[in-house]
Amino acid sequence: SQQGEEDPQALSIQEGENATMNCSYKTSINNLQWYRQNSGRGLVHLILIRSNEREKHSGRLRVTLDTSKKSSSLLITASRAADTASYFCATHTQGGSEKLVFGKGTKLTVNP
Amino acid sequence: NAGVTQTPKFQVLKTGQSMTLQCAQDMNHEYMSWYRQDPGMGLRLIHYSVGAGITDQGEVPNGYNVSRSTTEDFPLRLLSAAPSQTSVYFCASSVGVRGDTQYFGPGTRLTVL
Repeated sequence: SQQGEEDPQALSIQEGENATMNCSYKTSINNLQWYRQNSGRGLVHLILIRSNEREKHSGRLRVTLDTSKKSSSLLITASRAADTASYFCATHTQGGSEKLVFGKGTKLTVNP
Repeated sequence: NAGVTQTPKFQVLKTGQSMTLQCAQDMNHEYMSWYRQDPGMGLRLIHYSVGAGITDQGEVPNGYNVSRSTTEDFPLRLLSAAPSQTSVYFCASSVGVRGDTQYFGPGTRLTVL
């Protein structure tokens, strides 16, 4: 079964607006990562947040982690058409074997 | 550095045929993995390796074999292709899994008729 589940499945916004995507997971984690995938391409790593961190920033990206609720959110501020892509969270679970488990992704469309 | 490379980019097989998807990385990463991506299913882990000579099963290993004889290469073998294996396959590598960035290859789009 999937460890991470993104919400919403699809999101459509106008350029300049903020986009928020959420990820929920089931078991305790060591870290959680967010990836972007442009259509027909491989995934690209965006940001990693460890279980003892609550918030991280990278450029226009802001990631939060709430381990009590087993959830994370990815905020993209001042979105651009080039942000159109699918976004995935991936979790590395505590005490588990060495692997990451990906969610099903959120498809973001930014309209110019 | 070329990063993670995958060949071929596209492949069409007939049911029952076998083939090997190639994956190579030139970053001296210990950890490598194979995923398949299907519409509405996200990425599912097929097999992974934490170092040369060590492999383990992921979520959906049936119908696939892997080996890791060198740090650089991690081929994925389809033993007897089935239409259910039609998918896009991604190889990824990282220094380790705990807290490390995964570097993905460009993918192989496989169709089994």
